[in-house]
Amino acid sequence: DVKVTQSSRYLVKRTGEKVFLECVQDMDHENMFWYRQDPGLGLRLIYFSYDVKMKEKGDIPEGYSVSREKKERFSLILESASTNQTSMYLCASSSRTGAFYGYTFGSGTRLTVV
Amino acid sequence: GQQVMQIPQYQHVQEGEDFTTYCNSSTTLSNIQWYKQRPGGHPVFLIQLVKSGEVKKQKRLTFQFGEAKKNSSLHITATQTTDVGTYFCAGVWLNEKLTFGTGTRLTIIP
Repeated sequence: DVKVTQSSRYLVKRTGEKVFLECVQDMDHENMFWYRQDPGLGLRLIYFSYDVKMKEKGDIPEGYSVSREKKERFSLILESASTNQTSMYLCASSSRTGAFYGYTFGSGTRLTVV
Repeated sequence: GQQVMQIPQYQHVQEGEDFTTYCNSSTTLSNIQWYKQRPGGHPVFLIQLVKSGEVKKQKRLTFQFGEAKKNSSLHITATQTTDVGTYFCAGVWLNEKLTFGTGTRLTIIP
């Protein structure tokens, strides 16, 4: 069964901490995405990557960065966590033509910044 | 930027009643996808519509894509408790990036 695995289900971090959210997929997908999900706002794209060492900004990249050193792994980094980054973070992957085959999502990481 | 508007935000129905959620884009879409997220879960891909006027069915679920490829709907006939969740549409334009609607949360009254 194909999988997207996010390293943590729940995280609590302090304001100002550097936070790493890890995502690994085992489907040999080229494309990987990070979304955050907030009530009433749906899923908003933070960053995405179509290839190793490649990254592009999504709709809300401020305060975040990403790293993709290997095809299967896509990391989201909060350089200095703030309370407004408390959210559910969802990683997704798709094949190169994935917009036509649907995304596979991980189970999500619920991050609380205190 | 490109946006997909989805309504209603919430829908409460009696078990056995029908349910419909609508999505609309101001510009022509390349295709549209639908996802379901169960409470406490993550979005799961349901279907993709590509052709103008396309209609697809999955058991009690009927998906439609408008003739102008700017709107879409998901209709559930005779809802069951297993249908509970949030339904998202996601539009695709010329790039491969999905833009999600805000979702419709469906609750079922037994």
